[in-house]
Amino acid sequence: SAVISQKPSRDICQRGTSLTIQCQVDSQVTMMFWYRQQPGQSLTLIATANQGSEATYESGFVIDKFPISRPNLTFSTLTVSNMSPEDSSIYLCSVEGFGDRETYEQYFGPGTRLTVT
Amino acid sequence: AQTVTQSQPEMSVQEAETVTLSCTYDTSESDYYLFWYKQPPSRQMILVIRQEAYKQQNATENRFSVNFQKAAKSFSLKISDSQLGDAAMYFCAYNPFAASKLTFGTGTRLQVTL
Repeated sequence: SAVISQKPSRDICQRGTSLTIQCQVDSQVTMMFWYRQQPGQSLTLIATANQGSEATYESGFVIDKFPISRPNLTFSTLTVSNMSPEDSSIYLCSVEGFGDRETYEQYFGPGTRLTVT
Repeated sequence: AQTVTQSQPEMSVQEAETVTLSCTYDTSESDYYLFWYKQPPSRQMILVIRQEAYKQQNATENRFSVNFQKAAKSFSLKISDSQLGDAAMYFCAYNPFAASKLTFGTGTRLQVTL
């Protein structure tokens, strides 16, 4: 596996503002993903972060609301734009595929707890 | 679309006893992967165990083992010799072969009592 860090670990934001969450891995990975976990709920995939190209979004999630960047094989950002209280969730990044090994196992970062007031 | 169902919102087990968490899934695929993840109050998702659908042998990792019934589309997790540190939310997850798209169940909250 790898060491995955996320910044910030938590934040309280005002509605209408935006927050960018960073995900850093200590080794190169093939795939990076972003998930949302609403209070008391399970995880829902937001998008797959593609290196050097636009992210692939799941149904119900759009680029204008959740722009994603992945400039290299170890780093990605997720921005939550024009926030509302409904965006209050834990946001997690995950990674899959280390070096040339494809294991189909995903490993998760510690998550970012976002509260929108 | 694939769905994953965990019918037990909460379970409780005494320390040192054995508990089984249930999971069923629906898919038309023949090749896929199944996982159990643990999420303690710290919210860090931890991979507990994985099962490849093409393998008939049930996966085992120390005190954790699975009962994989492909025809029944069932994937239960057995925790033996339960410890206080096992208390957490447990999520069952499905990943289709070569598609990298995890679908999670709703989770089972496991309490471990003395």
